[in-house]
Amino acid sequence: GAVVSQHPSWVICKSGTSVKIECRSLDFQATTMFWYRQFPKQSLMLMATSNEGSKATYEQGVEKDKFLINHASLTLSTLTVTSAHPEDSSFYICSASLQGGQPQHFGDGTRLSIL
Amino acid sequence: GQQLNQSPQSMFIQEGEDVSMNCTSSSIFNTWLWYKQDPGEGPVLLIALYKAGELTSNGRLTAQFGITRKDSFLNISASIPSDVGIYFCAGRENNAGNMLTFGGGTRLMVKP
Repeated sequence: GAVVSQHPSWVICKSGTSVKIECRSLDFQATTMFWYRQFPKQSLMLMATSNEGSKATYEQGVEKDKFLINHASLTLSTLTVTSAHPEDSSFYICSASLQGGQPQHFGDGTRLSIL
Repeated sequence: GQQLNQSPQSMFIQEGEDVSMNCTSSSIFNTWLWYKQDPGEGPVLLIALYKAGELTSNGRLTAQFGITRKDSFLNISASIPSDVGIYFCAGRENNAGNMLTFGGGTRLMVKP
């Protein structure tokens, strides 16, 4: 149980392109999902908390207009990197948890490469 | 954001050896979690701890929730090559909802 699917797993695109990443909880409903960014050989950095049916909560320093988050259903959250540039290249990972107090389960991540 | 102090940062050991890593925090946590991340993949939950003093095993892995609620350790016994990866601790504070604070990770390398 508690499977989180993330798609796509790898994206390569030109600078200026907007990229959408999907995060789905396959066998449970998640009112809250989390989006992380991970640079090589570093830990996970929380970008934002995605709440179903309401606006996402962004961490300090994360531009909400740059990283658009939509959590329209209890099983799907999307992260759109708008007008991506090479410095946005990174490994993006989502997670979801069953309910309050339960561990977060992670997707397999999306490697984003902007040329 | 805030990070837990996780040590060691990396370990290079011989197959069959036991491994120990730990995390400490200045804050009190009500949950400690240990994850393993393989290259190019998301972290996978290994062990979850919910009570101070709790000692939990998962196969060759054992983790404990420190009595002070500010630390946790993970032990791996009789390491094998597939134990290679990055291990992260994560803690949840009382008023943080489901939000986690992550350690910096311990990179484990196992020599056959």
